[in-house]
Formats: sequence, structure tokens, C-alpha cells
Amino acid sequence: NAGVTQTPKFQVLKTGQSMTLQCAQDMNHNSMYWYRQDPGMGLRLIYYSASEGTTDKGEVPNGYNVSRLNKREFSLRLESAAPSQTSVYFCASSAYRGPADTQYFGPGTRLTVL
Amino acid sequence: AQTVTQSQPEMSVQEAETVTLSCTYDTSESNYYLFWYKQPPSRQMILVIRQEAYKQQNATENRFSVNFQKAAKSFSLKISDSQLGDTAMYFCAFSGTGNQFYFGTGTSLTVIP
Repeated sequence: NAGVTQTPKFQVLKTGQSMTLQCAQDMNHNSMYWYRQDPGMGLRLIYYSASEGTTDKGEVPNGYNVSRLNKREFSLRLESAAPSQTSVYFCASSAYRGPADTQYFGPGTRLTVL
Repeated sequence: AQTVTQSQPEMSVQEAETVTLSCTYDTSESNYYLFWYKQPPSRQMILVIRQEAYKQQNATENRFSVNFQKAAKSFSLKISDSQLGDTAMYFCAFSGTGNQFYFGTGTSLTVIP
């Protein structure tokens, strides 16, 4: 099993460009998450999907949109990238969205917006 | 909102020695879970250990153990017999009834040969 995979690993954008970060999991998990990690800060939740067909905002959703394409895939879209969105983005999944459920993370995408 | 605080931005330990990483949290909930994640230079976040708040017994996973003090809202990680592969950033995380993970700012641990 590959676990949680993310593409691309690295990306450089110019201000105003758009792009979609892809995430897929092969653990048959119901819940999926997108986080961003900035220097000196912990991971902050952008959006999550508790189950297929549902999505909800997290702590820092502004400037992002998400799509839960099917049970396996959860994409994050930046419609008009800004330098403040320079960050490392992590996708995660868990069996269910409960406090006891361990989240499993992908390897991350390092995004730079110039 | 819950908060998770890691007050040690950086730590170092000699190989084979023991080191303790600190974490405190603030919550009004009684049923929650606490986690330690490891992030090596590869950036992959790896679960190290987790603790259920209603369990009095401290969790242990091989060389990793926690000291969970519920009343003090403290959740420290002890790494015994430190190995070079333990060099990483360590994040403490809280998960409660709101079903959202809250992460601390991390402690960068360096194991010195």
C-alpha cells in the first residue's frame, strides 16, 4: 500500500496563477484533510472532508477550494495564488473523523508563490 | 479553541541518552486524544505515539513513552536510547470532540553522534 500520495512534490507559481494539488489514499479511509505548514508554526487545517460528498472549512480556508472527487481522492485548488500561500501543504486521511482516529499524512508539497 | 504549546523550539541529545520533549495543552473537554508525530528531513509526518485521555496508564511504544498528567494538562514525550534516526521535528497534537487536530509549533531534535 502506498498510503497517502501527493502530487506534485514541488511547485513554483507566479502571483495570480492557479493550480490544483492532488491527493489520493489507498487505505479505504472515509475522511481526508488538507493542512498547511509554515515556519515556526504547527500544521493548520485548511479544509476537510468527513466523508465522500462532503467538505467543510477548517481554520484557514480563505483563498482555497477543495473537491472530494471520490472516496480515494481529495484535491486542493488555488484559484489565484498569492505570496502568502507560499507554504508546505500536507494531505492526510483517517478512517473516520473522530477524535480517536489517527491521521496518516502524505509526503507534502512545497509551494512557492513569487 | 484548543491550544497546544511546545515551549522548546530546539533540543539536542547525545546518542544513546534519554531526552524528554514537553507539551502542554488547554482544553475544557474531558474526552480527548493526544498524539506525538515525528517529521524527519524527508518531511513525512509519522505517528510516534498516542494517548487516550480517559486512560490513566501512560502509553509506550518501544523506546518512546509519554508522561501524561491530565490535571496539569501536560503530555511529554520521552525518547530512550536515542538514535541518529530520531533526528527530526516532533509535533504534539490534540484531538477532541470537535474532531479537529490542533498541532503545536514543534520541537527540533538533533541526536549527536
